[in-house]
Amino acid sequence: DIQMTQSPSSLSASVGDRVTITCRASQRIATYLNWYQQKPGKAPDLLIYTASSLQRGVPSRFSGSGSGTDFTLTISGLQPEDFATYFCQQTYSTPITFGQGTRLEIK
Amino acid sequence: QITLKESGPTLVRPTQTLTLTCTFSGFSLSTTGVGVGWIRQPPGKALEWLALIYWDDDELYTTSLKNRLTVTKDTSKNQVVLTMTNMDPVDTATYYCAHTLGGTSRHAFDIWGQGTMVTVSS
Repeated sequence: DIQMTQSPSSLSASVGDRVTITCRASQRIATYLNWYQQKPGKAPDLLIYTASSLQRGVPSRFSGSGSGTDFTLTISGLQPEDFATYFCQQTYSTPITFGQGTRLEIK
Repeated sequence: QITLKESGPTLVRPTQTLTLTCTFSGFSLSTTGVGVGWIRQPPGKALEWLALIYWDDDELYTTSLKNRLTVTKDTSKNQVVLTMTNMDPVDTATYYCAHTLGGTSRHAFDIWGQGTMVTVSS
């Protein structure tokens, strides 16, 4: 199974900040990497697919990059509604696996 | 507009079989490329993919639970059913079904149900 490791596990930031979350795969996955945002008590929302494609309806302050084993999610200009938990997911091969999550908190 | 909704028991006894139904609208599971997956999340923990079924009856399962899981579809009813045998308290989680984005994204999930919490306890 491909292991997905996110860092950091938690992060404190302020409104307006630029933040970056990293996801590393245990083997190369090309660009089959997706990012989700989850708020408490809610289902995840797809933000980014195939590493850098912005899902329809997602604000342009969200961006993704990377290929192979190392990927990043960047939020430029944090908004109050962005404080949530973020998960990466690899879909290069089954079993599909998720990272452990990064909790983004208000400083 | 695509929507999905999970239904099933909220409480299951250990060793029992869990049956969850995902009822969806806004798409057909007979359309080329379409799939519905199941993902679960124990309280306060990460997401875990369980299974996926595609329009062409291709079934995919997570390795660790493969011998306990079955996923089926009823295209006429717009439903996907997940069965998990021999339930254990560690299976306590919120269970989600989700629609696959398709195209080059392979198995990305673009639309999710609201989730259903299942507790395993005697």
